[in-house]
Amino acid sequence: GQQVMQIPQYQHVQEGEDFTTYCNSSTTLSNIQWYKQRPGGHPVFLIQLVKSGEVKKQKRLTFQFGEAKKNSSLHITATQTTDVGTYFCAPRGNDMRFGAGTRLTVKP
Amino acid sequence: ETGVTQSPTHLIKTRGQQVTLRCSSQSGHNTVSWYQQALGQGPQFIFQYYREEENGRGNFPPRFSGLQFPNYSSELNVNALELDDSALYLCASSLAGRATEAFFGQGTRLTVV
Repeated sequence: GQQVMQIPQYQHVQEGEDFTTYCNSSTTLSNIQWYKQRPGGHPVFLIQLVKSGEVKKQKRLTFQFGEAKKNSSLHITATQTTDVGTYFCAPRGNDMRFGAGTRLTVKP
Repeated sequence: ETGVTQSPTHLIKTRGQQVTLRCSSQSGHNTVSWYQQALGQGPQFIFQYYREEENGRGNFPPRFSGLQFPNYSSELNVNALELDDSALYLCASSLAGRATEAFFGQGTRLTVV
């Protein structure tokens, strides 16, 4: 399975600030999925990106897939305390291997 | 809820013992993957089962083994437990293929003492 690197490992923001996490691969990916894991919870599917340069939005969340399909990003506008958790990217092949994740904490 | 259930939710075992964890897939899903998640880390892929056959394996020793049953439920067996095996064990069910999302169970928290 393909491996990805995520940065940053941790991000602490004030409520209302924006947040971005990046997912990078050394090889071309056929697709990328994003998951969110709340503290004490399990990963929950957010979205899948397939096309080069694809951009998808879910309310305050914007997901991008790079033109070369080697990187992806998740941007949250005006963070809220409900956004707290760890965000993982994972290439979806025959198996699925997660990045190390970015842990987001939000100060009210 | 995802429809994926894992049992037990918590378990304490002694080093050297064996453990079996169970997972019931979401209805209609034919693929089950198992992950180990240590505290503060991302889920590490252990292996995947498709139609009762192992269909991919991560960097885990042979003492980690599994089964998938005709109803697509699954077991993860770990022999000769070590302290470092303490972790949250997650199973995820999905349909086979590259364009499908995975649905995770709540996990089994295993503590090895």
